[in-house]
Amino acid sequence: EVQLVESGGGLVQPGRSLKLSCVASGFTFSNYGMNWIRQAPGKGLEWVAYISSGSSYIYYAETVKGRFTISRDNAKNTLYLQMTSLRSEDTALYYCARQGYGGPSFDYWGQGVMVTVSS
Amino acid sequence: DVVLTQTPVSLSVTLGDQASISCRSSQSLEYSDGYTYLEWYLQKPGQSPQLLIYGVSNRFSGVPDRFIGSGSGTDFTLKISRVEPEDLGVYYCFQATHDPHTFGAGTKLELK
Repeated sequence: EVQLVESGGGLVQPGRSLKLSCVASGFTFSNYGMNWIRQAPGKGLEWVAYISSGSSYIYYAETVKGRFTISRDNAKNTLYLQMTSLRSEDTALYYCARQGYGGPSFDYWGQGVMVTVSS
Repeated sequence: DVVLTQTPVSLSVTLGDQASISCRSSQSLEYSDGYTYLEWYLQKPGQSPQLLIYGVSNRFSGVPDRFIGSGSGTDFTLKISRVEPEDLGVYYCFQATHDPHTFGAGTKLELK
């Protein structure tokens, strides 16, 4: 069974940093691209970042480019999102999601981890 | 950025009815390889989103055949025949043809 478990969220002051993790199990992590997607309270979904299976390709939404860094450790089956210079508008539930083979962008999702940016 | 406009914003249905959700794109979603990267996701109350449809009309594993995706170019539709209680929630369309990839604002399916 595919499982994605996020952690590392919490309350952080504006301008500070936070690092999210997503531990994967139930599949060969190193074979799949991975994504972070976020959802502000009561709002819709926003794709944040993508990393290919071997980390060769990395893409970011303009809203986080230059502040967030996506990375992965295939030996540890773990996806990361390093967030710096956090702003109130980064407050959201952050999901990690696997890129499916042959088409779908996000075939499995984690349960999400909450990040609140507030003084 | 590509804007996906979903209508209606909310939809009240009776169990067993058909529901139809539209997703219109500000640009054609047909990629140069001929594939159309248009997907549908359902977020049930209190849950993470789940994949329903990819490539316009391909149902993901385990998705009932009462979910039917269709469309081309800039106009896409998700039809749910015989709505069941577990179908309630917010439906999002998503495009991965153009960078940045974008979601529609969502359509809430609720009981009448």
